[in-house]
Amino acid sequence: AQTVTQSQPEMSVQEAETVTLSCTYDTSESDYYLFWYKQPPSRQMILVIRQEAYKQQNATENRFSVNFQKAAKSFSLKISDSQLGDAAMYFCAYLTSYDKVIFGPGTSLSVIP
Amino acid sequence: EADIYQTPRYLVIGTGKKITLECSQTMGHDKMYWYQQDPGMELHLIHYSYGVNSTEKGDLSSESTVSRIRTEHFPLTLESARPSHTSQYLCASSEGCCYGYTFGSGTRLTVV
Repeated sequence: AQTVTQSQPEMSVQEAETVTLSCTYDTSESDYYLFWYKQPPSRQMILVIRQEAYKQQNATENRFSVNFQKAAKSFSLKISDSQLGDAAMYFCAYLTSYDKVIFGPGTSLSVIP
Repeated sequence: EADIYQTPRYLVIGTGKKITLECSQTMGHDKMYWYQQDPGMELHLIHYSYGVNSTEKGDLSSESTVSRIRTEHFPLTLESARPSHTSQYLCASSEGCCYGYTFGSGTRLTVV
């Protein structure tokens, strides 16, 4: 069965600095999709970025980018120029071949002014 | 602006009461999901539906039930609420394979 691990329960970053959130996963599938979701306090969870496993190019969305290492089964999220609004819980997620999403336990990110 | 709506946003209810958490989406998505989010923030799939009249239990055993009579509506019902049901419940939908989920704002349920 697929699993998703986020080894950093909490992280903090200074405003305007860069932070990287780690995610590893375990799977025997060759084609799959990976996601990062953001859940601000008491607010709606939103999709931050999506990566297709068959694409070697790392996905980028404005200040958010990923480092996808398929062989290592690693999918880290880099947030550049951190802003106060980036403070949230971040979930790494894996889409299985039977169309279910498995979420990691989350990383709580604090942004220090 | 959210295209998936959950009501109520917060609910405090007594033990033994029957409750229904509402979830509606305006995107025409066939696939809908209910997740339970515990205090440690982990998400657990409790129910899902791939279309009208199709419902399945998720990975986490739940005493709740769901129905899918219309594409846009996926309510979750607890026949007899207990304090162990205290949690946040998130509804989500997806367009199909591979695009990720759209989530509602959640219902934070407290059973006293």
